[in-house]
Amino acid sequence: DARVTQTPRDKVTEMGQEVTMRCQPILGHNTVFWYRQTMMQGLELLAYFRNRAPLDDSGMPKDRFSAEMPDATLATLKIQPSEPRDSAVYFCASGTSAYNEQFFGPGTRLTVL
Amino acid sequence: AQSVTQLGSHVSVSEGALVLLRCNYSSSVPPYLFWYVQYPNQGLQLLLKYTSAATLVKGINGFEAEFKKSETSFHLTKPSAHMSDAAEYFCAVAGGTSYGKLTFGQGTILTVHP
Repeated sequence: DARVTQTPRDKVTEMGQEVTMRCQPILGHNTVFWYRQTMMQGLELLAYFRNRAPLDDSGMPKDRFSAEMPDATLATLKIQPSEPRDSAVYFCASGTSAYNEQFFGPGTRLTVL
Repeated sequence: AQSVTQLGSHVSVSEGALVLLRCNYSSSVPPYLFWYVQYPNQGLQLLLKYTSAATLVKGINGFEAEFKKSETSFHLTKPSAHMSDAAEYFCAVAGGTSYGKLTFGQGTILTVHP
């Protein structure tokens, strides 16, 4: 049963600390997406990659957020320094170019104190 | 540009009653349309998708949706609600690109009363 995995599932940190979230997309999927979900803003697209190349990261605060795909099996989202307003659930999703369907991971719940 | 509007942020039904969740989209190209469901503390799961084949699409858990181009709608229905259907539902649109980017609606929380 292929699924997207994310680590950690929960992260509590203090303001100013670096946070790294990891995602393993489904094997064979060539597109990877990072979303942030909050009560106020709903589901926001932060960045996405195709064949490991970043296509759009306009949804990310550039000064503190960065997203990378070191290889086809790993995507990372890093926040440095973290702020309380970054508290949210961060989802990774993967898919293929065909039919645009995305498969979501279980999310990382981030709390910045 | 594409957009999705979900009418009603909260919908409440009785168990056994019809479920109707409304979604209207805007797209300058033939769209792909999706409904996702999110249970508490979980990621989104695909319920069903429209990809320009049959206009009536059947999904999992007894849900279905009908694509109506003239109304730019893709409403989600289920004839008889079950308590386990309580969740948040998202409509999404994509199209005109092979990159797989989806535009999501704001979500509708479905509550099912006994």
